Amino acid sequence: EIVLTQSPATLSLSPGERATLSCRASQSVSSYLAWYQQKPGQAPRLLIYDASNRATGIPARFSGSGSGTDFTLTISSLEPEDFAVYYCQQRSNWPLGGTFGPGTKVDIK
Amino acid sequence: EVQLVESGGVVVQPGGSLRLSCAASGFTFDDYTMHWVRQAPGKGLEWVSLISWDGGSTYYADSVKGRFTISRDNSKNSLYLQMNSLRTEDTALYYCAKDIIGYSSSFDYWGQGTLVTVSS
Repeated sequence: EIVLTQSPATLSLSPGERATLSCRASQSVSSYLAWYQQKPGQAPRLLIYDASNRATGIPARFSGSGSGTDFTLTISSLEPEDFAVYYCQQRSNWPLGGTFGPGTKVDIK
Repeated sequence: EVQLVESGGVVVQPGGSLRLSCAASGFTFDDYTMHWVRQAPGKGLEWVSLISWDGGSTYYADSVKGRFTISRDNSKNSLYLQMNSLRTEDTALYYCAKDIIGYSSSFDYWGQGTLVTVSS
């Protein structure tokens, strides 16, 4: 089973700062990686799919990069509504639904 | 507007059974693969099962294989999850989720979830 590791576990930043979140896979997942945002009491929201494609309606300040085993989600300038938990998810074990990382919490410094 | 509304979550004893439902609207339901994803209280996300657009293909996580059955009724725009032999570790918020395309297993719309609690 492919295991995803996310770092850091918690990222404390101020609005306007740049956030860089990391996701590492235990073996190559090619570009089959997605990023989700989840706020308390809400369902997850798809941000990025296939490593670098922004989902419909996602602001340009969110960007994804990487391939193979190392991936990055970057939020170029944090808005107040961006403080949340972010999960990465791999789907290289198609057609199964893949596995999620443990999450990175972005909180207000 | 795409909407997914789950229902059916309750408190059930270990070994019991339960059927979850998800009512879909705002998109052509029978064009898309659909999924169930769960989240234990305070924990991360776990993919549970998927069903193809026509119901002809189904897949399950190892943790639920042989106990859960996914199905759909395209005439009713509805998705279901039959859960048997429930265990305490099945306690979670169960989300219905739409696939972005094909079997991509990237989930572009989610319901608000229905809570299943397995406890004696």
